[in-house]
Amino acid sequence: DADVTQTPRNRITKTGKRIMLECSQTKGHDRMYWYRQDPGLGLRLIYYSFDVKDINKGEISDGYSVSRQAQAKFSLSLESAIPNQTALYFCATSDVGQGATGELFFGEGSRLTVL
Amino acid sequence: DQQVKQNSPSLSVQEGRISILNCDYTNSMFDYFLWYKKYPAEGPTFLISISSIKDKNEDGRFTVFLNKSAKHLSLHIVPSQPGDSAVYFCAVYPGAGSYQLTFGKGTKLSVIP
Repeated sequence: DADVTQTPRNRITKTGKRIMLECSQTKGHDRMYWYRQDPGLGLRLIYYSFDVKDINKGEISDGYSVSRQAQAKFSLSLESAIPNQTALYFCATSDVGQGATGELFFGEGSRLTVL
Repeated sequence: DQQVKQNSPSLSVQEGRISILNCDYTNSMFDYFLWYKKYPAEGPTFLISISSIKDKNEDGRFTVFLNKSAKHLSLHIVPSQPGDSAVYFCAVYPGAGSYQLTFGKGTKLSVIP
């Protein structure tokens, strides 16, 4: 089983619909992240969370919200999806412990298409 | 302003030859530099990293070089294999107390058999 699991893996939806992408991890890491990948733009940070009570915006948070339901669960919501939110979304975790080098552990991705 | 730049969107190399992927960064205060590899339909996976106090780190066929004066990072793959065909992202980490990695846009490597 994967250490970082994302659901759904693929989703097609219509403009204006609310969508939730879910992420769960078994690595025991406190830090969790949501990234978006677009062709030619690399990986861009949407939101990140240091623990259940700590949620922070990344560089492209507009149009998104998140919820950290538990240490192991971090969900991303699109309140009213629009076509330019069509992208590949990745959840990731990292270790905040001493000696940590910032290495991220990624899920397999959720491909979202907004028509 | 991009903090991390990968100026080559793609690179093709013959099997058995050396692949060199390049990355430039802007902030001399970055603490760690990382390379990630991504296959289609999979999440990125960590490949190799280097601390700012070193200038070289080697792991099997993969070597990362850091030139701090030039603010330049490179990944060498020797010998290149068809299974190395993937998108490679370089990333920078400011160090303890920071919250995130900053990624380059990626370079797609194609290793031709």
